[in-house]
Amino acid sequence: QITLKESGPTLVKPTQTLTLTCSFSGFSLSTATVGVGWIRQPPGKALEWLALIYWDDHESYSPSLRDRLTITGDTSKNQVVLTMTNMDPVDTATYYCARYSSSSLVFHSWGLGILVSISS
Amino acid sequence: DIQMTQSPSTLSASVGDRVTISCRASQSISSWLAWYQQKPGKAPKLLIYQASSLESGVPSRFSGSGSGTEFTLTISSLQPDDFATYYCQQYNTYFTFGPGTKVDIK
Repeated sequence: QITLKESGPTLVKPTQTLTLTCSFSGFSLSTATVGVGWIRQPPGKALEWLALIYWDDHESYSPSLRDRLTITGDTSKNQVVLTMTNMDPVDTATYYCARYSSSSLVFHSWGLGILVSISS
Repeated sequence: DIQMTQSPSTLSASVGDRVTISCRASQSISSWLAWYQQKPGKAPKLLIYQASSLESGVPSRFSGSGSGTEFTLTISSLQPDDFATYYCQQYNTYFTFGPGTKVDIK
């Protein structure tokens, strides 16, 4: 059974750096064709893709947020970490991690998400 | 950037209705399109990928069609569990989601 779970702070101050961890089970990031991505959703709004890390450590970022994002993977811990710098209230959102397949090119399994609020 | 639009934004329907949701891409994305279902407070669930391939475990009343810039998600007979918001997503260039279509009870 594939599961993913997001963890991290639920309240961050403006200008601070957000660090989120995705802990997963049921698959390995070292398996070819596997990836883990991050997607966010502001309250009442649509989904926005942020970043993706592939089994070969290749990284891909949203062009509009590239300068603020870093994604890393730890295959020994079955974790993927997303850092986002210079947080702003508009970054308030539920942040999801999801398992990606480079065979189908889509996100098949998602975590429950974590709501992160940006406020002083 | 590839922009995605969906219509309608809200759709009111009854159980048993045939429901059609449209998605349009700002440029051709071939068949690189997925559909997700999201219920309030829940994570999105993959329904369809590559425009018309049904994800494992998804009921056959869901189907997808289209290519290029015009796509459609069809629910052949709406069930109580299907009242939700539906998002299309292109993956021709990076990943972009549409604004969503909420299917509610008529």
